[in-house]
Amino acid sequence: DQQVKQNSPSLSVQEGRISILNCDYTNSMFDYFLWYKKYPAEGPTFLISISSIKDKNEDGRFTVFLNKSAKHLSLHIVPSQPGDSAVYFCAAQAGNQFYFGTGTSLTVIP
Amino acid sequence: ETGVTQTPRHLVMGMTNKKSLKCEQHLGHNAMYWYKQSAKKPLELMFVYNFKEQTENNSVPSRFSPECPNSSHLFLHLHTLQPEDSALYLCASSQPAGGLGRINNEQFFGPGTRLTVL
Repeated sequence: DQQVKQNSPSLSVQEGRISILNCDYTNSMFDYFLWYKKYPAEGPTFLISISSIKDKNEDGRFTVFLNKSAKHLSLHIVPSQPGDSAVYFCAAQAGNQFYFGTGTSLTVIP
Repeated sequence: ETGVTQTPRHLVMGMTNKKSLKCEQHLGHNAMYWYKQSAKKPLELMFVYNFKEQTENNSVPSRFSPECPNSSHLFLHLHTLQPEDSALYLCASSQPAGGLGRINNEQFFGPGTRLTVL
């Protein structure tokens, strides 16, 4: 049973607008969450992370929000750029175990 | 070479073959990982090595045998695989957090090996 879920396989957004990617998890023991970005034929690259003791972390155009009571996190990208088009994976950590979602393919339309 | 490299990038093998996947990291990290990504499925963590010691084995069949001779190199030895083992195999590394062997940092991934078992 998947402990990390990304229920939207794809998302299209106009350039300059906000992209919101969502992730849900089931295990309350997760204490660290990460977002990765993947281009075709490349491995995932780290984007941004958040500890479970925080509810927001911001890095430039990228902000991750964590709602522990809802077991939900989201990644906001604003403004979205065509170069942001990629597959985004949500991941959660408990101890030395990492669990990934199935990814959301983001397309930013120029 | 920088980052995490994996060889070969593509591999086709029969069920009776023996092959090995190689991963090398040039980042000075002390933790290394093998992941499997099958079609339409999330990345699945297979093995974790921390300072050359295996710390996690997520119920992976014995036909997959990892080896970590040093902190920079990680191998995955394959033998008598099944067609359902066809997948993208990704290697990653990270810098472990201090104390208690806890790994709590972002991972750096290689490009993966696309494995096809006939």
